Amino acid sequence: EAQVTQNPRYLITVTGKKLTVTCSQNMNHEYMSWYRQDPGLGLRQIYYSMNVEVTDKGDVPEGYKVSRKEKRNFPLILESPSPNQTSLYFCASSSYRVGYEQYFGPGTRLTVT
Amino acid sequence: KQEVTQIPAALSVPEGENLVLNCSFTDSAIYNLQWFRQDPGKGLTSLLLIQSSQREQTSGRLNASLDKSSGRSTLYIAASQPGDSATYLCAVEGTGNQFYFGTGTSLTVIP
Repeated sequence: EAQVTQNPRYLITVTGKKLTVTCSQNMNHEYMSWYRQDPGLGLRQIYYSMNVEVTDKGDVPEGYKVSRKEKRNFPLILESPSPNQTSLYFCASSSYRVGYEQYFGPGTRLTVT
Repeated sequence: KQEVTQIPAALSVPEGENLVLNCSFTDSAIYNLQWFRQDPGKGLTSLLLIQSSQREQTSGRLNASLDKSSGRSTLYIAASQPGDSATYLCAVEGTGNQFYFGTGTSLTVIP
């Protein structure tokens, strides 16, 4: 089954404790992206990657890092999480072969205390 | 910077009614526009993708139109059903392969 998977689905952590949210897709898509969703603000793009070893900042990259060492994986790293990073995070993938139609993962709900 | 707006923010209709959801964007230099559905606590499900060269797309009871020059798209839902209740989001792909989302329209279809 074609899908985007994220882990963990739920995470509660404390300020300053480094964490990684994994994202993996099995559709051989070149493009992958991370978003955060906050009430009243909608989805905002954090980082995106056009292909392996190519990453670019979205609208809200501060406090986040990403890497794209393999085509299928695009982890999101919070090196020193803060309470304002409490949010619902989505990973998505797409390809020029499907006109850049985006496919989303199930989401990761992160709470930073 | 691209701004995407969806009006209304919430909509409640009786079952069987036809309805239109609106999406507007400020920069007409887009590659595509995509409509999604989001159920509470869930991820996004793609409904329709319209490339910038297209005017509309149809899937079942859904029809989406795109007018790039005026910066508008509409999602038409025919014969609404309670199972259509969800939040509907539109997103545009702008230059530089960045995506911009509206804040959504929350739809409730009353049986």
